[in-house]
Amino acid sequence: DTAVSQTPKYLVTQMGNDKSIKCEQNLGHDTMYWYKQDSKKFLKIMFSYNNKELIINETVPNRFSPKSPDKAHLNLHINSLELGDSAVYFCASSQEGYRANVLTFGAGSRLTVL
Amino acid sequence: AQSVTQLGSHVSVSEGALVLLRCNYSSSVPPYLFWYVQYPNQGLQLLLKYTTGATLVKGINGFEAEFKKSETSFHLTKPSAHMSDAAEYFCAVSDRYQGAQKLVFGQGTRLTINP
Repeated sequence: DTAVSQTPKYLVTQMGNDKSIKCEQNLGHDTMYWYKQDSKKFLKIMFSYNNKELIINETVPNRFSPKSPDKAHLNLHINSLELGDSAVYFCASSQEGYRANVLTFGAGSRLTVL
Repeated sequence: AQSVTQLGSHVSVSEGALVLLRCNYSSSVPPYLFWYVQYPNQGLQLLLKYTTGATLVKGINGFEAEFKKSETSFHLTKPSAHMSDAAEYFCAVSDRYQGAQKLVFGQGTRLTINP
């Protein structure tokens, strides 16, 4: 059973389009995250949700809108895609937002904007 | 604010040789430190973590790391490299922000194993 699953795994689209990435976790965790990994492999947090409530919004453009319908799901919608949005997006979850907690990551969704 | 620096974006060792991946951190509070590994086309998985207590931490696949406060370091080692260790390795420090955990990652080190 996959603990954190993301769909789609690959996404190729044109500039200006709108796209969504979905994430689901079956670990019973309270907190979910979106991280972005750029072409140089640098990982940076974008958003964090705790029990459907947005906790962290790390100066991400308004074109990115996360939505958490329940604590097991965290989706990422991106409007008006730009070339610079090309990256691998990782969803993750943890038991709570405690500093010592381990994050469980999904396999990533590779977004390519042409 | 917390930060992490990984020295060497690419490390290459021979199979059976010692693996040493370097990580230095900056933290205004006692740090919680992690090493994650990313195999090609996969997500990150935890190798080991340090929170409090024993400064030498053992992880999966024979890896270990030692927390040295005086050197602000958390280097990752493995006595004998195996071909399956080839991957990208990330050091991270954990921050707490408005009730949520925020992992701040280093830039990663790609480990290549030569036969």
